[in-house]
Amino acid sequence: DAGVIQSPRHEVTEMGQEVTLRCKPISGHDYLFWYRQTMMRGLELLIYFNNNVPIDDSGMPEDRFSAKMPNASFSTLKIQPSEPRDSAVYFCASSPRGGREQFFGPGTRLTVL
Amino acid sequence: SQQGEEDPQALSIQEGENATMNCSYKTSINNLQWYRQNSGRGLVHLILIRSNEREKHSGRLRVTLDTSKKSSSLLITASRAADTASYFCATDSPANSKLTFGKGITLSVRP
Repeated sequence: DAGVIQSPRHEVTEMGQEVTLRCKPISGHDYLFWYRQTMMRGLELLIYFNNNVPIDDSGMPEDRFSAKMPNASFSTLKIQPSEPRDSAVYFCASSPRGGREQFFGPGTRLTVL
Repeated sequence: SQQGEEDPQALSIQEGENATMNCSYKTSINNLQWYRQNSGRGLVHLILIRSNEREKHSGRLRVTLDTSKKSSSLLITASRAADTASYFCATDSPANSKLTFGKGITLSVRP
């Protein structure tokens, strides 16, 4: 198994631009999580899905952030418009069961200038 | 508020020594997990201990859980330079499927 796949690995963009981060979870995993990691705030859960349905998006910072999971093998996290304070590493993780072991992707390092 | 709080924030030891890291949490849990993150990489699951367990071993790792004190410790025995990484504890919630991560402990193992 290839593990959780994220793309792009690095993204540099200018303030105001739209950013789309992509994630392919491990096949057969019913849960998908999006996290953001910064030095100041640590690892924060943004949103998670169960069977492609968003369950808890209380961690999404504001309306500029949106996430979708159109099918079991693909999810996107979109930021529109992006701001410099969105600069962080964004991780996607999947899990076969809620509250149990999570498998993390390599992350996308986002820099907003 | 942060559910899991690790201490110390940073730990530097000599190769071959044991490393002990602690985690405290605030509310009831079903299980507690420890993860490792190497620089520039995603987190990797190390071990899970259930709330009804007191101790668990996996290779050079030993985890203890004291639910009365709401604390856990991770012991890495005979440390190696390759153990240099950040270590995070994560707690779940009986109410949902989320994990809450602490801010992590930076472990440096000097060769």
